Amino acid sequence: QSVLTQPPSTSGTPGQRVTISCSGSTSNIGGNTVNWYQQLPGTAPKVLIYSNNQRPSGVPDRFSGSKSGTSASLAISGLQSEDEGDYYCGSWDDSLNGHYVFGTGTKVTVL
Amino acid sequence: QAQLVQSGGEMKKSGASVKVSCKAFGYTFSAHGITWVRQAPGQGLEWMGWFSAYTGDAYYAQNFQGRLTMTRDTSTSTAYMELRSLTSDDTAVYYCARGQLLADYWGQGTVVSVSS
Repeated sequence: QSVLTQPPSTSGTPGQRVTISCSGSTSNIGGNTVNWYQQLPGTAPKVLIYSNNQRPSGVPDRFSGSKSGTSASLAISGLQSEDEGDYYCGSWDDSLNGHYVFGTGTKVTVL
Repeated sequence: QAQLVQSGGEMKKSGASVKVSCKAFGYTFSAHGITWVRQAPGQGLEWMGWFSAYTGDAYYAQNFQGRLTMTRDTSTSTAYMELRSLTSDDTAVYYCARGQLLADYWGQGTVVSVSS
């Protein structure tokens, strides 16, 4: 049961910029850092952004993350065909003795 | 470069148990916890719980209380996830990931299929 809300889908043409929102609450995003995951078809999730806006080594700078209050967003600039897949946000939640929560997921389609 | 390698796919009958392993390479196993996440077919990601590889203390999601056990073998740098009383709703890909905050390495996933 996801407690972080994302739009079900978004799309863009190659080269465009798309953004994905992630809405939470004070017990998760409002008080903890946010990670973003990319899941390409048939593969395991891969960390795209950690600690709100940090990119792991090897992740292109086309991907950027931000957080404000109880919401976060992921931006993909210069959209490429290989970016097509599912994207999830995630954050620790301090309620119920603490647990990790994921977003509902957003399907990115490159037109 | 750290890596988590999971055991192969499993097919189980309803009511049975499954034990999935996650072997760590390239880092000090006891320095990081292991989190388990699952993904049912066509669905999103679900956090199952995590444990400290140093102390062995485990923290489970409420949905799995009573039928989930996470353990580790520090001599082989391997984490284990055992789920009991399986139903068809447990059919999913099970992933292990390093750390409590899921901020870096993930295993390749293990498919668990449960049939009646």
